[in-house]
Amino acid sequence: NAGVTQTPKFQVLKTGQSMTLQCAQDMNHEYMSWYRQDPGMGLRLIHYSVGAGITDQGEVPNGYNVSRSTTEDFPLRLLSAAPSQTSVYFCASRSTGSYEQYFGPGTRLTVT
Amino acid sequence: ILNVEQSPQSLHVQEGDSTNFTCSFPSSNFYALHWYRWETAKSPEALFVMTLNGDEKKKGRISATLNTKEGYSYLYIKGSQPEDSATYLCASRAGNNRKLIWGLGTSLAVNP
Repeated sequence: NAGVTQTPKFQVLKTGQSMTLQCAQDMNHEYMSWYRQDPGMGLRLIHYSVGAGITDQGEVPNGYNVSRSTTEDFPLRLLSAAPSQTSVYFCASRSTGSYEQYFGPGTRLTVT
Repeated sequence: ILNVEQSPQSLHVQEGDSTNFTCSFPSSNFYALHWYRWETAKSPEALFVMTLNGDEKKKGRISATLNTKEGYSYLYIKGSQPEDSATYLCASRAGNNRKLIWGLGTSLAVNP
C-alpha cells in the first residue's frame, strides 16, 4: 500500500491564482480530512469527509472547497489564493472503525 | 481546560536519558487521546490511541499513560536515542461530534 499520498510537495502561487491539492489513499478508508499547519498553532482542520459524496467544514474552511467523488480521492481547492493561505497542508485518512489517522507527507504552499 | 496543552514546549536531553512530557486536555465529554510522533520533513506518525482511564500503552522504549478524570496523559521515553528526536503531538477527541483538538507539540532533541 502507498498509504496516503499528496501532490504536489511544494507549490508557489501568486495572490488570486487557483489550484488543487491532491490527496489519495489506497487503504479504503471512509474518513478523510485536510489540515493546515502554521507556526505556533496546532493542526487545524479545514474540511473533512466521512465517505464518498459527503463533506463537511472543519475549523478553518473559508477559502477552500473540497469534493469526494470517490473513496480514494479528496482534493482540496483554493479558489483564489491569499497570502494567509501560506501553510503546510496535510491530508489524513482513517477507517470509520478506528481513530488512528494516517497522514500524507504534506504540501508546502507559499502564496506571494 | 478548553484546549489541548502540551508541556514542555521543547526539551533537550542527552543520549541515554529518560524523559517524559505532558498533555493536558478537557476532561468533559472525553472520547480518545492520541499521541503522534512527527519528524522534521515527514508526516505525523501515530504512536498510541487511548480511550480508558488508567490506560497504559507501550511501544518499544516509548510508553504513555492516561488519566481521563483529571485530563492528562504522560508520554515517557526510556533511554532516549538521537533517532527519538522529533515533535511529539497529542490530540484529544471529545464532544458529541468527537472533534479532534490538537496540541502544539513537545519538540524533543536528543544529543549523542
